[in-house]
Amino acid sequence: DAGITQSPRYKITETGRQVTLMCHQTWSHSYMFWYRQDLGHGLRLIYYSAAADITDKGEVPDGYVVSRSKTENFPLTLESATRSQTSVYFCASRGTGRGTPTQYFGPGTRLLVL
Amino acid sequence: AQTVTQSQPEMSVQEAETVTLSCTYDTSESDYYLFWYKQPPSRQMILVIRQEAYKQQNATENRFSVNFQKAAKSFSLKISDSQLGDAAMYFCAGAQGGSEKLVFGKGTKLTVNP
Repeated sequence: DAGITQSPRYKITETGRQVTLMCHQTWSHSYMFWYRQDLGHGLRLIYYSAAADITDKGEVPDGYVVSRSKTENFPLTLESATRSQTSVYFCASRGTGRGTPTQYFGPGTRLLVL
Repeated sequence: AQTVTQSQPEMSVQEAETVTLSCTYDTSESDYYLFWYKQPPSRQMILVIRQEAYKQQNATENRFSVNFQKAAKSFSLKISDSQLGDAAMYFCAGAQGGSEKLVFGKGTKLTVNP
């Protein structure tokens, strides 16, 4: 049972380059989320998706693009990376319904933008 | 709007002793869920315990228990018989019932001294 995986686990890129972070879950969860974690800020929601082809902005969406063509995948793209996007990125998922509020997290991707 | 506040940036405890981490959760909703997540040095976000606001009984998971004081908006985590493996960042988080979004506090770093 793979659960939720992220790739790559580490990425170094340069300012202005496009970067895509991948997230894959095997639970058939409806909801998927992208967070970034920075010192002093805890985790902040970037984007989330309620189902395939349904996405919505979170707290800090600027500079990011998401898509969800399949339930199990939720890629996050930085269209033109900036140094302020250096962070640790977490993907999470949860089931549908009011009785399933728990989010389960992937292992994270550490991104360094030079 | 909902806010989660962790007022202790760092805490320490002796091995085998008990420690309590504090959290306050402010929301106007009556239906919500509260969580404690643990983040060890591996950076994996691990669910420790969950509390439903409508439940009067405090949640317990082995050595971990919560003290949920609804009127005071307090949601503290007690770790009994602390072990070296408990050393980690601990994040308090809340989600309003029916909402997709999980709001995190900024975390408390717990050190366990041998």
